[in-house]
Amino acid sequence: AAGVIQSPRHLIKEKRETATLKCYPIPRHDTVYWYQQGPGQDPQFLISFYEKMQSDKGSIPDRFSAQQFSDYHSELNMSSLELGDSALYFCASSFGQGVSPLHFGNGTRLTVT
Amino acid sequence: QKEVEQDPGPLSVPEGAIVSLNCTYSNSAFQYFMWYRQYSRKGPELLMYTYSSGNKEDGRFTAQVDKSSKYISLFIRDSQPSDSATYLCAMCRDNYGQNFVFGPGTRLSVLP
Repeated sequence: AAGVIQSPRHLIKEKRETATLKCYPIPRHDTVYWYQQGPGQDPQFLISFYEKMQSDKGSIPDRFSAQQFSDYHSELNMSSLELGDSALYFCASSFGQGVSPLHFGNGTRLTVT
Repeated sequence: QKEVEQDPGPLSVPEGAIVSLNCTYSNSAFQYFMWYRQYSRKGPELLMYTYSSGNKEDGRFTAQVDKSSKYISLFIRDSQPSDSATYLCAMCRDNYGQNFVFGPGTRLSVLP
């Protein structure tokens, strides 16, 4: 079965650079979530979109922005990168506005040097 | 106090053992409960999903929810070395699928 696709798998950036992470949800899933996971930590919710509109916002820094496009894929844009932004970034998708379990991609590992 | 508590382990068991993983939570508004398995450098993989008190079984896995005690469990029967991973419980407050809250995860090692 098709899963959530994230690209790139690995990304190395320098401080103050920008990065763009992409997420392609499971077909027919209309809700996308972004999470940040530090080493040994549980995933921390950043932001979510339902039907191309922002539906919820968590601990996402102002330096980050995201959007969901007409084909339901989503991009997380990160600017003025800091060393502390180094983490695994996961995208998850689900179907519908009602409760539906999240299905995660394998993440993008961002390293800021 | 975190909303969801989970023993981080590590938990080591011999192959074939029954494993019990647990989470407690403080917010009685949580209605939907999930268990995820996460291998190193991979995304969390959904194992079980339930919204009612009681037991739900799927193969070697049984999820148990006790809303009155705010306690959920995941049992793994006949554990295998391939079950070695971090297990995260997750729960959701409301009917709109937002605000999923994760436990910190329990690292499990099944020794051959």
